[in-house]
Amino acid sequence: DAGVIQSPRHEVTEMGQEVTLRCKPISGHDYLFWYRQTMMRGLELLIYFNNNVPIDDSGMPEDRFSAKMPNASFSTLKIQPSEPRDSAVYFCASSLAGGEGGFDIQYFGAGTRLSVL
Amino acid sequence: AQTVTQSQPEMSVQEAETVTLSCTYDTSESDYYLFWYKQPPSRQMILVIRQEAYKQQNATENRFSVNFQKAAKSFSLKISDSQLGDAAMYFCAYRNYSGNTPLVFGKGTRLSVIA
Repeated sequence: DAGVIQSPRHEVTEMGQEVTLRCKPISGHDYLFWYRQTMMRGLELLIYFNNNVPIDDSGMPEDRFSAKMPNASFSTLKIQPSEPRDSAVYFCASSLAGGEGGFDIQYFGAGTRLSVL
Repeated sequence: AQTVTQSQPEMSVQEAETVTLSCTYDTSESDYYLFWYKQPPSRQMILVIRQEAYKQQNATENRFSVNFQKAAKSFSLKISDSQLGDAAMYFCAYRNYSGNTPLVFGKGTRLSVIA
Protein backbone atom coordinates (compact mmCIF):
# COMPACT_ATOMS: atom_id res chain seq x y z
CA ASP A 1 0.00 0.00 0.00
CA ALA A 2 1.20 3.53 -0.73
CA GLY A 3 0.43 4.74 2.78
CA VAL A 4 -1.57 7.81 3.67
CA ILE A 5 -1.43 10.32 0.85
CA GLN A 6 -1.87 14.04 1.41
CA SER A 7 -2.02 16.82 -1.11
CA PRO A 8 -0.76 19.36 -1.69
CA ARG A 9 2.56 19.04 0.10
CA HIS A 10 2.91 22.79 0.30
CA GLU A 11 0.28 25.47 0.00
CA VAL A 12 0.87 29.20 -0.01
CA THR A 13 -2.16 31.44 -0.09
CA GLU A 14 -3.26 34.91 0.80
CA MET A 15 -5.39 35.86 3.73
CA GLY A 16 -9.06 35.52 2.99
CA GLN A 17 -8.68 32.79 0.39
CA GLU A 18 -10.24 29.36 0.66
CA VAL A 19 -7.86 26.46 1.23
CA THR A 20 -8.64 22.78 0.76
CA LEU A 21 -6.35 20.06 2.03
CA ARG A 22 -6.84 16.50 0.85
CA CYS A 23 -6.19 13.08 2.32
CA LYS A 24 -6.40 9.53 1.04
CA PRO A 25 -6.20 7.02 3.90
CA ILE A 26 -4.72 3.57 3.71
CA SER A 27 -7.13 1.23 1.98
CA GLY A 28 -9.24 -0.69 4.48
CA HIS A 29 -8.64 1.64 7.39
CA ASP A 30 -11.80 2.78 9.12
CA TYR A 31 -10.51 5.67 11.21
CA LEU A 32 -9.17 8.96 9.91
CA PHE A 33 -7.62 11.75 11.97
CA TRP A 34 -6.67 15.33 11.14
CA TYR A 35 -3.93 16.89 13.29
CA ARG A 36 -2.31 20.30 13.18
CA GLN A 37 1.31 21.00 14.13
CA THR A 38 2.54 24.43 15.18
CA MET A 39 5.61 25.55 17.08
CA MET A 40 3.53 27.00 19.87
CA ARG A 41 0.97 24.24 20.39
CA GLY A 42 2.72 21.17 19.03
CA LEU A 43 0.58 18.42 17.51
CA GLU A 44 -3.09 18.67 18.30
CA LEU A 45 -6.16 16.85 17.07
CA LEU A 46 -8.62 18.75 14.94
CA ILE A 47 -11.21 16.09 14.09
CA TYR A 48 -11.54 12.38 13.54
CA PHE A 49 -13.87 10.09 11.63
CA ASN A 50 -14.99 6.50 12.00
CA ASN A 51 -16.47 4.86 8.92
CA ASN A 52 -16.77 8.29 7.31
CA VAL A 53 -18.75 9.72 10.24
CA PRO A 54 -17.25 12.56 12.33
CA ILE A 55 -16.79 11.39 15.90
CA ASP A 56 -15.15 14.34 17.61
CA ASP A 57 -14.65 17.77 16.10
CA SER A 58 -14.01 19.59 19.36
CA GLY A 59 -10.49 20.43 18.21
CA MET A 60 -11.64 22.40 15.19
CA PRO A 61 -10.64 25.95 16.11
CA GLU A 62 -13.62 27.80 14.71
CA ASP A 63 -16.33 27.83 12.08
CA ARG A 64 -13.84 28.74 9.40
CA PHE A 65 -12.66 25.13 9.54
CA SER A 66 -14.68 22.26 8.14
CA ALA A 67 -13.87 18.64 7.33
CA LYS A 68 -15.66 16.04 5.28
CA MET A 69 -15.24 12.40 4.46
CA PRO A 70 -17.57 11.61 1.56
CA ASN A 71 -16.27 8.06 1.22
CA ALA A 72 -13.81 5.65 2.77
CA SER A 73 -10.96 6.71 0.53
CA PHE A 74 -11.07 10.49 0.69
CA SER A 75 -11.26 13.33 3.18
CA THR A 76 -10.89 17.08 2.95
CA LEU A 77 -10.10 19.82 5.43
CA LYS A 78 -11.26 23.23 4.31
CA ILE A 79 -10.42 26.64 5.72
CA GLN A 80 -12.56 29.54 4.57
CA PRO A 81 -11.53 32.29 4.89
CA SER A 82 -7.92 31.58 5.75
CA GLU A 83 -5.92 33.73 8.18
CA PRO A 84 -2.17 34.03 8.85
CA ARG A 85 -2.60 32.24 12.21
CA ASP A 86 -3.74 29.14 10.31
CA SER A 87 -0.19 28.69 9.04
CA ALA A 88 0.91 25.26 10.22
CA VAL A 89 1.57 21.71 9.07
CA TYR A 90 -1.60 19.69 8.76
CA PHE A 91 -1.36 15.93 9.10
CA CYS A 92 -3.80 13.24 8.19
CA ALA A 93 -3.53 9.81 9.80
CA SER A 94 -5.49 6.59 9.42
CA SER A 95 -5.86 3.42 11.45
CA LEU A 96 -7.72 0.14 11.55
CA ALA A 97 -9.86 -0.79 14.54
CA GLY A 98 -8.31 -3.82 16.21
CA GLY A 99 -5.27 -3.63 14.00
CA GLU A 100 -1.76 -4.65 15.10
CA GLY A 101 -2.98 -6.65 18.06
CA GLY A 102 -5.18 -3.87 19.33
CA PHE A 103 -2.61 -1.11 19.10
CA ASP A 104 -4.63 0.50 16.33
CA ILE A 105 -1.49 2.13 15.01
CA GLN A 106 -2.03 5.50 13.38
CA TYR A 107 -0.15 5.90 10.12
CA PHE A 108 0.58 9.45 9.11
CA GLY A 109 0.78 11.16 5.78
CA ALA A 110 3.66 13.48 4.94
CA GLY A 111 1.63 16.51 5.93
CA THR A 112 0.68 19.72 4.15
CA ARG A 113 2.63 22.83 5.06
CA LEU A 114 0.21 25.76 4.83
CA SER A 115 1.44 29.32 4.70
CA VAL A 116 -1.15 32.08 4.79
CA LEU A 117 0.32 35.47 3.88
CA ALA B 1 -7.79 15.09 30.20
CA GLN B 2 -4.55 13.29 29.54
CA THR B 3 -1.33 15.24 29.12
CA VAL B 4 2.13 14.30 27.91
CA THR B 5 5.25 16.20 28.91
CA GLN B 6 8.66 16.07 27.29
CA SER B 7 10.95 18.18 29.42
CA GLN B 8 13.94 18.18 27.07
CA PRO B 9 13.36 20.47 24.07
CA GLU B 10 16.77 19.54 22.64
CA MET B 11 19.30 16.77 23.14
CA SER B 12 22.52 15.82 21.44
CA VAL B 13 24.52 12.61 21.31
CA GLN B 14 27.77 11.48 19.80
CA GLU B 15 27.56 8.95 17.03
CA ALA B 16 27.67 5.37 18.42
CA GLU B 17 26.79 6.56 21.92
CA THR B 18 23.56 6.05 23.87
CA VAL B 19 20.96 8.70 24.61
CA THR B 20 17.76 8.69 26.65
CA LEU B 21 14.79 10.92 25.92
CA SER B 22 12.36 11.58 28.76
CA CYS B 23 8.59 11.52 28.74
CA THR B 24 6.04 11.74 31.53
CA TYR B 25 2.30 11.63 31.23
CA ASP B 26 -0.76 12.15 33.33
CA THR B 27 -3.83 9.95 33.21
CA SER B 28 -6.40 8.47 35.55
CA GLU B 29 -6.75 5.40 33.36
CA SER B 30 -5.16 2.09 34.28
CA ASP B 31 -4.93 0.71 30.76
CA TYR B 32 -3.59 2.69 27.82
CA TYR B 33 -0.97 2.69 25.08
CA LEU B 34 2.20 4.72 24.75
CA PHE B 35 4.18 5.45 21.61
CA TRP B 36 7.31 7.15 20.42
CA TYR B 37 7.17 8.73 16.96
CA LYS B 38 10.13 10.09 15.01
CA GLN B 39 9.83 13.10 12.71
CA PRO B 40 12.89 13.63 10.49
CA PRO B 41 13.33 16.78 8.39
CA SER B 42 11.14 15.19 5.73
CA ARG B 43 8.23 15.78 8.15
CA GLN B 44 7.01 12.21 7.93
CA MET B 45 5.82 10.86 11.30
CA ILE B 46 7.33 7.42 11.78
CA LEU B 47 6.38 5.04 14.58
CA VAL B 48 9.48 3.99 16.52
CA ILE B 49 8.15 1.87 19.36
CA ARG B 50 4.96 1.14 21.29
CA GLN B 51 4.05 -0.10 24.75
CA GLU B 52 0.93 -1.46 26.34
CA ALA B 53 0.44 -0.20 29.88
CA TYR B 54 -0.69 -3.57 31.22
CA LYS B 55 2.57 -5.20 30.11
CA GLN B 56 5.39 -4.76 32.58
CA GLN B 57 8.04 -5.86 30.12
CA ASN B 58 9.71 -2.95 28.38
CA ALA B 59 9.34 -2.86 24.61
CA THR B 60 12.41 -3.07 22.39
CA GLU B 61 12.88 -2.56 18.66
CA ASN B 62 16.45 -3.13 17.54
CA ARG B 63 18.48 -0.17 18.89
CA PHE B 64 15.42 1.43 20.47
CA SER B 65 14.08 0.48 23.87
CA VAL B 66 11.86 2.04 26.48
CA ASN B 67 11.92 2.29 30.24
CA PHE B 68 8.28 2.17 31.25
CA GLN B 69 7.60 3.06 34.87
CA LYS B 70 3.84 2.87 35.30
CA ALA B 71 3.69 4.07 38.89
CA ALA B 72 5.82 7.07 38.06
CA LYS B 73 3.96 7.61 34.77
CA SER B 74 7.25 7.73 32.96
CA PHE B 75 8.05 6.42 29.48
CA SER B 76 11.60 7.18 28.37
CA LEU B 77 13.18 6.19 25.07
CA LYS B 78 16.72 4.87 24.87
CA ILE B 79 18.59 4.91 21.60
CA SER B 80 21.71 2.77 21.56
CA ASP B 81 24.58 3.02 19.08
CA SER B 82 23.23 6.31 17.77
CA GLN B 83 23.47 6.90 14.05
CA LEU B 84 23.38 10.07 11.99
CA GLY B 85 20.00 8.99 10.65
CA ASP B 86 18.56 9.12 14.15
CA ALA B 87 18.67 12.91 14.10
CA ALA B 88 15.05 14.06 14.23
CA MET B 89 12.24 15.33 16.42
CA TYR B 90 10.93 12.63 18.74
CA PHE B 91 7.39 12.74 20.04
CA CYS B 92 5.99 10.79 22.93
CA ALA B 93 2.30 10.00 22.57
CA TYR B 94 -0.50 8.55 24.69
CA ARG B 95 -3.69 6.84 23.63
CA ASN B 96 -6.59 5.53 25.67
CA TYR B 97 -7.04 1.80 25.71
CA SER B 98 -10.60 1.80 24.48
CA GLY B 99 -10.93 1.91 20.74
CA ASN B 100 -9.38 4.15 18.17
CA THR B 101 -9.08 7.34 20.14
CA PRO B 102 -6.80 10.19 19.11
CA LEU B 103 -3.19 10.42 20.17
CA VAL B 104 -2.13 13.00 22.74
CA PHE B 105 1.37 14.20 21.94
CA GLY B 106 4.15 15.80 23.92
CA LYS B 107 5.85 18.89 22.51
CA GLY B 108 8.78 16.87 21.23
CA THR B 109 12.54 16.60 21.72
CA ARG B 110 14.91 17.57 18.95
CA LEU B 111 17.79 15.10 18.82
CA SER B 112 21.06 15.99 17.14
CA VAL B 113 23.67 13.34 16.38
CA ILE B 114 27.26 14.53 16.27
CA ALA B 115 29.68 12.72 14.00
